[in-house]
Amino acid sequence: KAGVTQTPRYLIKTRGQQVTLSCSPISGHRSVSWYQQTPGQGLQFLFEYFSETQRNKGNFPGRFSGRQFSNSRSEMNVSTLELGDSALYLCASSLGELIAKNIQYFGAGTRLSVL
Amino acid sequence: AQSVTQLGSHVSVSEGALVLLRCNYSSSVPPYLFWYVQYPNQGLQLLLKYTSAATLVKGINGFEAEFKKSETSFHLTKPSAHMSDAAEYFCAVSPMNYGGSQGNLIFGKGTKLSVKP
Repeated sequence: KAGVTQTPRYLIKTRGQQVTLSCSPISGHRSVSWYQQTPGQGLQFLFEYFSETQRNKGNFPGRFSGRQFSNSRSEMNVSTLELGDSALYLCASSLGELIAKNIQYFGAGTRLSVL
Repeated sequence: AQSVTQLGSHVSVSEGALVLLRCNYSSSVPPYLFWYVQYPNQGLQLLLKYTSAATLVKGINGFEAEFKKSETSFHLTKPSAHMSDAAEYFCAVSPMNYGGSQGNLIFGKGTKLSVKP
């Protein structure tokens, strides 16, 4: 069974541009979460989607947005990139929504560098 | 507000020695607690989780953790370190009364474990 696939693995953008990252969950998984990982702030939750609906959102500005498609694939978009958006963006999927009953499987991440 | 503190950003042990990674949480209600491991250039992998059942939780790769409510701790241990255990370890918390959905994980800053031959 294929794991969580994130594309692209590496991305270089300049300030002011926008970027779209993609996440394909494990087949059959309906919950997808996104996290930002930086050396300074560590791992921070961005958003969570379940059956195409955003269930939770972290404390990030409106420049960060996401969506989930009917096949559970998810995308996140960052508009008007800032230098501080440079990070590893991780996607995780799970079969169901409840954290006590399900295991999150993480992808290898997309490393975004903003110049 | 919930928070997680991992004591020691770097821990170094010799192969075969005890591994002890410390995690303390702050939560107004009993939380769910997790330990994840991250190898270089990879995502996170769940080692174990506490969800209010047994206080001593056994995970993969020989790791275990004990939930101690009185100390608000959830330290990770392994009796004998292997070279392959070298990685970064993250403790995370999610409050039980949040509805239990996946996204509300608050992570500690991580502890890098080095294993010397």
